[in-house]
Amino acid sequence: YELTQPPSVSVSPGQTASITCSGDKLGGKHACWYQQKPGQSPVLVIYQENKRPSGIPERFSGSNSGNTATLTISGTQAMDEADYYCQAWDSTTVIFGGGTKLSVL
Amino acid sequence: EVQLVESGGGLKQSGGSLRLSCAASGFTFSRFEMNWVRQAPGKGLEWISYISTSGSTIYYADSVKGRFTISRDNAKNSLYLQMNSLRVEDTAVYFCARGDTSMAGDYWGQGTLVTVSS
Repeated sequence: YELTQPPSVSVSPGQTASITCSGDKLGGKHACWYQQKPGQSPVLVIYQENKRPSGIPERFSGSNSGNTATLTISGTQAMDEADYYCQAWDSTTVIFGGGTKLSVL
Repeated sequence: EVQLVESGGGLKQSGGSLRLSCAASGFTFSRFEMNWVRQAPGKGLEWISYISTSGSTIYYADSVKGRFTISRDNAKNSLYLQMNSLRVEDTAVYFCARGDTSMAGDYWGQGTLVTVSS
């Protein structure tokens, strides 16, 4: 099972960034998203499609339907520049997407 | 405050063994499932292994099956990864993460670097 993400996404400050994650019937699974900044550990930003852990800003949201999960960052800030990974369980295996580098230009 | 602290990484020759530990604090360790995830230099995240709360259910990625063994000691609030028959391609930062069946980890450790030389 594979999860496919675009290698890179660019966004202007204050605009909305959308990062997609595609996988066969992904909408039937729980999808989550992690943010990772250089030299740091991953941070969970969205779980169970659209839930935000405590401390994650409201500008982060998620959706998951059909074959695609989407992470949306509204009003993107410079601090949001990072690598983002989607993740799902497939039977007895945890699958990560290849990661998307978000550039805030 | 939830804390996960990995240790045990280092430099090993191909074919060698290493045991990683993850010390948990700030939560009731025995109530949470755990995962090991690694990240090779400049690469993405790769899940390695999962263990249930009691240790009765364990899963491995194909890349480490038969070589790595995950375990836990709930009395010591600790997670372990025994790594045998190490390969150069096992070189990575290894993270422990507190997870469940919907996510790999809501909390992650800082990681420990394992370098395997030929």
